[in-house]
Formats: sequence, structure tokens, C-alpha cells
Amino acid sequence: EDQVTQSPEALRLQEGESSSLNCSYTVSGLRGLFWYRQDPGKGPEFLFTLYSAGEEKEKERLKATLTKKESFLHITAPKPEDSATYLCAVQPIPFYNTDKLIFGTGTRLQVFP
Amino acid sequence: GAVVSQHPSRVICKSGTSVKIECRSLDFQATTMFWYRQFPKQSLMLMATSNEGSKATYEQGVEKDKFLINHASLTLSTLTVTSAHPEDSSFYICSAIQRGLAYNEQFFGPGTRLTVL
Repeated sequence: EDQVTQSPEALRLQEGESSSLNCSYTVSGLRGLFWYRQDPGKGPEFLFTLYSAGEEKEKERLKATLTKKESFLHITAPKPEDSATYLCAVQPIPFYNTDKLIFGTGTRLQVFP
Repeated sequence: GAVVSQHPSRVICKSGTSVKIECRSLDFQATTMFWYRQFPKQSLMLMATSNEGSKATYEQGVEKDKFLINHASLTLSTLTVTSAHPEDSSFYICSAIQRGLAYNEQFFGPGTRLTVL
């Protein structure tokens, strides 16, 4: 069964303290892996899509990497405004639904000044 | 960028009433729209996939007669929660796929908070 596991569940960082969030996945075939940011009471905001092992993408203080079994979201020198829940989702190679996303439970990040 | 809106953002209703939630793609045509439900501190659970002009495909365990989905145009999908009960209280989020993008990126709406008293 296709599955996505994110760790840690919650992470508290001091401003400027770099860290990484993990997303482990099990799928029969991976079409793409997505990272989203979700603020309380809002819908997910797209961050990155990764398609193949070894791929990396960067945006400001965030960098996403992908291996065959997991993805990491690295946060360099975070600021309080980076506080949010970060969601990982995988899109399996389709069997019947070409665009289905399977979400992990997210990592709640809090950055303190 | 692609924008998806939802209306209303919050709704409070009495048990037994029906509630309609709209999802619109504002600046693009959506081949497919998805409806998710999210309980507090949990992740998004896909409820159904909505394709313009055809019947929605529901995920296992989601009652078709309770959660009615209509995708009447390329920019609008509606979710109607019929005879709502307190256990239906949740955060409902839609997403839309922009036609023409190679990898069918999903753009999410801001969500609708439903509270059933």
C-alpha cells in the first residue's frame, strides 16, 4: 500500500538554527513528490515538486532533496515567519487515478526569535 | 500564478441541514478538481475526484449520497454535505489541476471550515 511518513511530528527551532524535515515514502512507482506549506486555517501552498532521485530544488531558505525512498526539506537559518506545517505528498504512477496525491501527516515547525 | 477560491470560508449550521461549498479556479481552466477533508492536527484525506462533465470518483469509505459533488464547468466544482451531523465538522479543502501542465500540479483553495451544531 502506498504510504507517506513524515518526521518529526513537531520541531521547535531558534531563529538561525538550521535543520531538516524528513519524508519517507513507499509507493510501487513514483510519479512525483510534492512539498507544501500550510498555515493554520489555510489551504496548502505549493513549494516544490521533485521527480527523480538525486534531484534538488531551492527557494530562499528552503532546499528539497529526493532519494529513492525519502525526501528532505532543509531549512537554513530559519526565521519566525517560516513557522508553519510542512506537508509532503507523493503522486504514485497511476493505476486508475492519474493525479491522486497521498499526503503525510506533516511536520509542525515553530521558529522562535 | 494559478488561484483557487472557496466559498464560504466558514459555515456554521444546525444538524440535519445541507451545506454547499463552492470551489472555483479563478484564472485557469481546471480539468480535474479534488475535494479533501482535514481534521485538527491531521493531514489531508482525499474524499473524491471531480472531472468536468462526468460523475465524481469517491475514495473508499466516503458516502456518495452524503457528499454530493457537481463539476458543472471547467472553473467550478461544488460539494454539498447533505443532512450534516456534528461528526461532519471539519476543514474542507479543494484543489484544481491546470489543463496543459505536463505534471498536473494541484493548486489548493484556502479551505472551508464547517461546524455542525
